[in-house]
Amino acid sequence: GQNIDQPTEMTATEGAIVQINCTYQTSGFNGLFWYQQHAGEAPTFLSYNVLDGLEEKGRFSSFLSRSKGYSYLLLKELQMKDSASYLCAPMDSNYQLIWGAGTKLIIKP
Amino acid sequence: GAVVSQHPSWVICKSGTSVKIECRSLDFQATTMFWYRQFPKQSLMLMATSNEGSKATYEQGVEKDKFLINHASLTLSTLTVTSAHPEDSSFYICSARLAGGVETQYFGPGTRLLVL
Repeated sequence: GQNIDQPTEMTATEGAIVQINCTYQTSGFNGLFWYQQHAGEAPTFLSYNVLDGLEEKGRFSSFLSRSKGYSYLLLKELQMKDSASYLCAPMDSNYQLIWGAGTKLIIKP
Repeated sequence: GAVVSQHPSWVICKSGTSVKIECRSLDFQATTMFWYRQFPKQSLMLMATSNEGSKATYEQGVEKDKFLINHASLTLSTLTVTSAHPEDSSFYICSARLAGGVETQYFGPGTRLLVL
């Protein structure tokens, strides 16, 4: 089967760094996406990794290890507005995104 | 770039009526659009994949006669919830995929449907 494993909830402090881990199993693999979803809103695209390694985009970085079925999203210099759910979504051989429940990140002052 | 709009953003209707939701890619052509449903505190659930000019592909358990999808152009897909019932109340979100290149899905802002 296909599945995604992310922590349900994480808490971090404003200004700090947090790493959200994701392990996945899919039928085939065509890259992995990270999306941010604020409560009551639709997801917004953050990053895409298809090759192993780290992709940096401002305060956010995403890492992928295909052999380990593992990815993480690293958020630096946390701001209150980063409080949201973060969705790890690998793409399977049919180019379908596989969605889990995501990680709810709570930022405290 | 890659902006997707959805209309309406909110719908309240009586049980038994039909509701039409539009999804538009504003600044790009989308050969493929997706329709999702999300219940509170649950993950996104793919309902169907819509390809321009062809019939939509529905996920298992999604009634195609209840959720009518039309993808008439490269920038517009519509979802019609026919004879809506209270259990259809949910957050409906569309996404559009850029033609060619990375398979990124860009999401519309979503439509909240409340069926009384």
